Amino acid sequence: EPEVTQTPSHQVTQMGQEVILRCVPISNHLYFYWYRQILGQKVEFLVSFYNNEISEKSEIFDDQFSVERPDGSNFTLKIRSTKLEDSAMYFCATRLSLGDEKLFFGSGTQLSVL
Amino acid sequence: QKEVEQNSGPLSVPEGAIASLNCTYSDRGSQSFFWYRQYSGKSPELIMSIYSNGDKEDGRFTAQLNKASQYVSLLIRDSQPSDSATYLCAVLDIHNFNKFYFGSGTKLNVKP
Repeated sequence: EPEVTQTPSHQVTQMGQEVILRCVPISNHLYFYWYRQILGQKVEFLVSFYNNEISEKSEIFDDQFSVERPDGSNFTLKIRSTKLEDSAMYFCATRLSLGDEKLFFGSGTQLSVL
Repeated sequence: QKEVEQNSGPLSVPEGAIASLNCTYSDRGSQSFFWYRQYSGKSPELIMSIYSNGDKEDGRFTAQLNKASQYVSLLIRDSQPSDSATYLCAVLDIHNFNKFYFGSGTKLNVKP
């Protein structure tokens, strides 16, 4: 079965540092998402991306966050100046089309901000 | 504010029993509902989707939907220890087909 690949699996950083989380979507999928899950809490929507632009973002996705698809394959989430409360599991998810409601999740990046 | 609510559990059932997991949602017009299974430290994995009122069966899993009551459930028959996981209910936003709302999940423990 095709899969969404995320790297790194774990990232430890100091508060105020920039981090970049990487995702390789399934090759023919058109819609890309970042979700996060703070330990013991809900899976929360951050942002959706289609046709090389953001199509929707949540209140969490403030100016410290950005996404891009720099080379047509990787899909990245950048946090410019990390805060303690950014510590969470970050999941990339992809979807073939709006008509296909199945979300494929990557294995996640556990971000720890110290 | 769209909400998907689940009892956090843990729900403990003996091996071989039926596990019943419940979910309510706030947006009355919602049409598409999903159950994901998440093992500890792993990513969510889709196990069932349901769109119409009534029951939908897939192997040991049965999803039930009651739109009038804004209620979705998942039944797991002949529960196995390998079913022990957190089960997430998700609803597709009808106003924005781009967004899914997830509940906080119900932790299921199946005891051998």
